[in-house]
Amino acid sequence: GQNIDQPTEMTATEGAIVQINCTYQTSGFNGLFWYQQHAGEAPTFLSYNVLDGLEEKGRFSSFLSRSKGYSYLLLKELQMKDSASYLCAVTGGNYQLIWGAGTKLIIKP
Amino acid sequence: IAGITQAPTSQILAAGRRMTLRCTQDMRHNAMYWYRQDLGLGLRLIHYSNTAGTTGKGEVPDGYSVSRANTDDFPLTLASAVPSQTSVYFCASSERGEHDEQFFGPGTRLTVL
Repeated sequence: GQNIDQPTEMTATEGAIVQINCTYQTSGFNGLFWYQQHAGEAPTFLSYNVLDGLEEKGRFSSFLSRSKGYSYLLLKELQMKDSASYLCAVTGGNYQLIWGAGTKLIIKP
Repeated sequence: IAGITQAPTSQILAAGRRMTLRCTQDMRHNAMYWYRQDLGLGLRLIHYSNTAGTTGKGEVPDGYSVSRANTDDFPLTLASAVPSQTSVYFCASSERGEHDEQFFGPGTRLTVL
């Protein structure tokens, strides 16, 4: 079957670093997306990993291991505005993405 | 229009009524999608369209229909609404397909009583 797992909720402190993990099982994998969604708003694109390794984009980095079916999103120098849900999604074949339920990140001062 | 828009923003609907949610994009994207988002379940694909004139079923298509008469518009119709269709509905588009970044509309919050 096809499945994505990510923690339901995480808490971190302003200025710190947090890692949000995502594990997946899918038959038609080509790449993995991370999206950010603030409460009451639409998801917005953060990153897309196709190859193994770490991709850095400012304060955010995303890692992929295809052999382990594993990814993480690393957020550095956390700011209060980073409080949001972070959605992991993988290509599942048949023109579709398979979405995780999202990780709600709470940032405390 | 800039990006992707949806209408209405929110709606309360009596069970059994017919409802069409509208979605329009001005980015000339080939692919469009309709998702529903329910607490704890994440985004679930209802229907998709890879290009104008073609549509396909997603994970949860029952009770919903779509059409794609042109590139810009992708309406979603609930023929006879039921309370289990209470949800937040997002329309999205991408340039070619599932390997491209998806751009989301602001969402429609639908309540079926």
